[in-house]
Amino acid sequence: EVQLLESGGNLVQPGGSLRLSCAASGFTFSSYAMSWVRQAPGKGLEWVSAISHIRGISYYTDSVKGRFTISRDNSKNTLYLQMDSLRAEDTAVYYCAKDLDWYVDWGQGTLVTVSS
Amino acid sequence: EIVMTQSPATLSVSPGERATLSCRASQSVSNNLAWYQQKPGQAPRLLIYGASTRATGIPARFSGSGSGTEFTLTISSLQSEDFAVYYCQQYHNWPYTFGQGTKLEIK
Repeated sequence: EVQLLESGGNLVQPGGSLRLSCAASGFTFSSYAMSWVRQAPGKGLEWVSAISHIRGISYYTDSVKGRFTISRDNSKNTLYLQMDSLRAEDTAVYYCAKDLDWYVDWGQGTLVTVSS
Repeated sequence: EIVMTQSPATLSVSPGERATLSCRASQSVSNNLAWYQQKPGQAPRLLIYGASTRATGIPARFSGSGSGTEFTLTISSLQSEDFAVYYCQQYHNWPYTFGQGTKLEIK
């Protein structure tokens, strides 16, 4: 059974940084691309970033380019999202999802709140 | 960026009736479109990918159609568990994008 467990969400001040983690199990992590999707409170889904399983090629939505960095450690079966220069509009539940294009498997999400 | 527009924002339908949800892309996404269902407090659930292929375990009452810029999700006979928010997502061009969602509520 695929399991994705996000962690690292917290309350952070504007301009601050946070690193999210997603621990994966139940599948061969190194063989799959991985993605992050977020959802602001009471709002819709927003695709954030993805990383390929080969060569670790990364992709970002325009609003986070230059501020967020996606990475993975295949030896630890873990996906990361380093978030810098955080803004109030980054407040959301952040989900990790298995695969690149469409997402069968999702984590339960971790809440990031950017506020002073 | 490809903008995905869903309509209507809210759809009121009685149990047992058919529901038709629409999704329009600002440019062609071929058939690179997925549909998700989300209930409060839960992660989204994949329903359809490739515009018309049901994901594993999804009941046959869910069907997807369309290609290019116009897509439809049809639920043939609504069950109580189908009342939720539905999102379309294109995976044709980076950055991938979701529609704003359609809330399907009980009439």
